[in-house]
Amino acid sequence: KQEVTQIPAALSVPEGENLVLNCSFTDSAIYNLQWFRQDPGKGLTSLLLIQSSQREQTSGRLNASLDKSSGRSTLYIAASQPGDSATYLCAPAVIHYGGATNKLIFGTGTLLAVQP
Amino acid sequence: DGGITQSPKYLFRKEGQNVTLSCEQNLNHDAMYWYRQDPGQGLRLIYYSQIVNDFQKGDIAEGYSVSREKKESFPLTVTSAQKNPTAFYLCASSTSSMHTEAFFGQGTRLTVV
Repeated sequence: KQEVTQIPAALSVPEGENLVLNCSFTDSAIYNLQWFRQDPGKGLTSLLLIQSSQREQTSGRLNASLDKSSGRSTLYIAASQPGDSATYLCAPAVIHYGGATNKLIFGTGTLLAVQP
Repeated sequence: DGGITQSPKYLFRKEGQNVTLSCEQNLNHDAMYWYRQDPGQGLRLIYYSQIVNDFQKGDIAEGYSVSREKKESFPLTVTSAQKNPTAFYLCASSTSSMHTEAFFGQGTRLTVV
C-alpha cells in the first residue's frame, strides 16, 4: 500500500529565502507525481506535474524533482514571498489500484508560513 | 472559464438525514473523483468514475453513494449510514489517460448539527 510522508510538517521562513519541501513515498510504481497548494478552507491548486519518466519540472519560482527509484520528490521554492504561505501537498498517482488510471495518494502536507 | 464547480460551499446536516453534494466540470474530462479531507490527515478517496454510468469504490466508500449519469456531473450523497460525516469534501477530475494532471474544485464543508 502506498504511503506518503511529507517533511517538515510545518515551516516558517523569512521572506526571500529559498526553501525545500520533501516528499517520500513507499511504492515506486507510479504514473506521475503532482504537487498542490492549498489555502485555508479552499480547494487544491495544481502546481506541477512530473511524469514518472522525468527527473524534474519547473514553473516560475518552483522546481520539483523526482527520484522514483528512491521514492523521493522535492519542491524547491526560490525567493519565497508572503503570498506563498499555504499548505503544500504531494500526491503520487499509483498504477496498481483496481484499474484506476489516476488514483492520487496524498501526504498530510507541509504548512508553510513566509514572514514579511 | 473552464473548471470544476462544487456546491454548496457550506452544508449542514441533521442526524439521520441524507445530503447530496454537487460537482460539475466543463473540462470535458472522463474521470472524476471524490475525496474527503479531515484535519491532520491526507485526502482519502471515497469514489471514482472513469466513464459515464460506471464508478468504483475508493478507500472509504461506506456510508456514501454516487451516480454518473452525465459526463460533466458526479454528485456525492452522504447517507445517514455515514457515522462521522463532518469533513471537507473535494471533487476532482482528469482525462482518462494515465499520465494526466488532476484538477480540483473549491470544496464543500459539511457539518452535522
